[in-house]
Amino acid sequence: NAGVTQTPKFRVLKTGQSMTLLCAQDMNHEYMYWYRQDPGMGLRLIHYSVGEGTTAKGEVPDGYNVSRLKKQNFLLGLESAAPSQTSVYFCASSLPRGKSTYEQYFGPGTRLTVT
Amino acid sequence: QQQVKQSPQSLIVQKGGISIINCAYENTAFDYFPWYQQFPGKGPALLIAIRPDVSEKKEGRFTISFNKSAKQFSLHIMDSQPGDSATYFCAASMKTSYDKVIFGPGTSLSVIP
Repeated sequence: NAGVTQTPKFRVLKTGQSMTLLCAQDMNHEYMYWYRQDPGMGLRLIHYSVGEGTTAKGEVPDGYNVSRLKKQNFLLGLESAAPSQTSVYFCASSLPRGKSTYEQYFGPGTRLTVT
Repeated sequence: QQQVKQSPQSLIVQKGGISIINCAYENTAFDYFPWYQQFPGKGPALLIAIRPDVSEKKEGRFTISFNKSAKQFSLHIMDSQPGDSATYFCAASMKTSYDKVIFGPGTSLSVIP
């Protein structure tokens, strides 16, 4: 099993450009999450999904959109990138807590720089 | 407003010493408190977790102490090793909000020989 994979690993964007980050998991998890990690801020939840076709806003959703057309994939889009979106982005997945001891499995991250 | 507070921001411990990281929360609806460990260039990974109905949980050299009345919990790493050098995040979760996890800001631990 590959677990949670993220594409791309690194990306540099110019202000105003758009891009999509792809997250894929092969563990048949219902829940998927997108976080951003900034120094001194920990991990902040951007958007999450509790099932195919369902998404919801997290703590810092502005400037991002998401889609979950397939259970195994969760896409994060930036329509018009801004320097404030320079960050490391992590995707995670999990089973609902009632079905497991509850652990979020994280991908390796995408380092995004917006100039 | 930070829902989960964590200290210290960074910690240097000698090999064989005890590393202690403290966390505090406000929302009494939180019912699950995990700790995640992150090595440079990697995603976080679950280290150990506790529910508020117990006051302590131990797994190997790692122990969580939980004080429900004070709304505080801490991670103790006994016999700290250079391989423990990583960033540690405490976190809190409540089942009623789709298992969303609120992370603390993290502690960078360096264990020196």
